[in-house]
This record gives sequence, C-alpha cells and structure tokens, in this order.
Amino acid sequence: DVKVTQSSRYLVKRTGEKVFLECVQDMDHENMFWYRQDPGLGLRLIYFSYDVKMKEKGDIPEGYSVSREKKERFSLILESASTNQTSMYLCASSFRGRRNQPQHFGDGTRLSIL
Amino acid sequence: QQPVQSPQAVILREGEDAVINCSSSKALYSVHWYRQKHGEAPVFLMILLKGGEQKGHEKISASFNEKKQQSSLYLTASQLSYSGTYFCGTEPPDGGATNKLIFGTGTLLAVQP
Repeated sequence: DVKVTQSSRYLVKRTGEKVFLECVQDMDHENMFWYRQDPGLGLRLIYFSYDVKMKEKGDIPEGYSVSREKKERFSLILESASTNQTSMYLCASSFRGRRNQPQHFGDGTRLSIL
Repeated sequence: QQPVQSPQAVILREGEDAVINCSSSKALYSVHWYRQKHGEAPVFLMILLKGGEQKGHEKISASFNEKKQQSSLYLTASQLSYSGTYFCGTEPPDGGATNKLIFGTGTLLAVQP
C-alpha cells in the first residue's frame, strides 16, 4: 500500500514564525502536491512538484514556498506565518507520465497560527 | 474555477440512497471521486473517464456526462461506513501527464442508524 506520511498531525505556531511542513511518500511517485483544506472551499492546490527540484505554483501560492531535494520528500514552507494560514494542510502523491492515476493522501496537518 | 458540488450536505438513514453532483464550467477529461472520513486522509474511490461510466467501490457508482461537464456519484442502500466528505477532482483535456486535479467544494454525507 502507498504510504504518505506527514510529519505532524497538529501544529501550533506564532504569527511571523517560519513554519515547515514535511511530507514523505514511499511509492517512488514523481508527482507530489500540497493542498489546503478549508470548510466550504474544498481542497485548493498550493504547490505541485513533478520531479526533484521542480515545482509549479498552484491556485493559492501566496505566502508559501516549497522544497523538493529528494524524490520522496516534499516540504511546504510558510515564510512568515499569519493567522489566515490557520488551516488543514494535505500532502498527496501520484505517478507521472500516465493519465488517470489516483492521488494518494497523507492524514493531514492541522496548523494553528496564534 | 473550482467544480461545484451539490448538495453541500445530506443526512440519510441507513438503507437510503443519495446522489452527489459535481459540475464544472470547463471541459473535462476525467473525474475522480474521493471520500474523507473525519480525521482521516481522503481515499480514492474511482475515476470516470471521458465517454465512460465506471463502478468502483462497494455499492457506490458514478456517471460522467462530458457534454454537460458533470459527474454524479450514486450511493445505494447507504451504510454507516459511507459517512464522510466526498470530493470530486476534475482533470482537464490538456492536463497531459501532470495528473493535476481541481477539487470540488465537497459534500458532507452523514448516515444515521
């Protein structure tokens, strides 16, 4: 079974802090994704990576950056956390190069910015 | 840009049926359906391909009308285990191999005994 592991289930940080959310997958997937989940808004794509060191902006990249130094690991960085970034963050991965591939999700990190 | 799902929420008794709709303003290549139980990761249910209909999971089936840019998820004889939030994820025709999806707003389904 595919395993996508997010480093923390719950995280509480202060406004202005630099925050790192980590995601690791064990299926040798090329694609990795970071989403933000908010009530009534569904899942919105923050950033996407299709290979090591490669990244593309999603629909809501402002205030975020990402890093992918190894194929299995994809990090989301909040450069200077703000209260409006309090949310559930989901990481996902999938194969690249074939259409109709499902995305496999981690359990999510519930982040609170105080 | 996001597909719109309807209804936003639905409450059922065990054994009742439900339909969840997903409508896009853009042309679609495929539609993915996921279910997320409370406190858990979203889990893949099935993919609907252009021109096709696919049954994939328990007593849950789906249809895809590419002309209307809509997909519907049918849950028959619902069980308590069906409770959760259902998301559709849409893939455009020009998506290539990126496998990027645009997810809908979600439908909360609660099945009561």
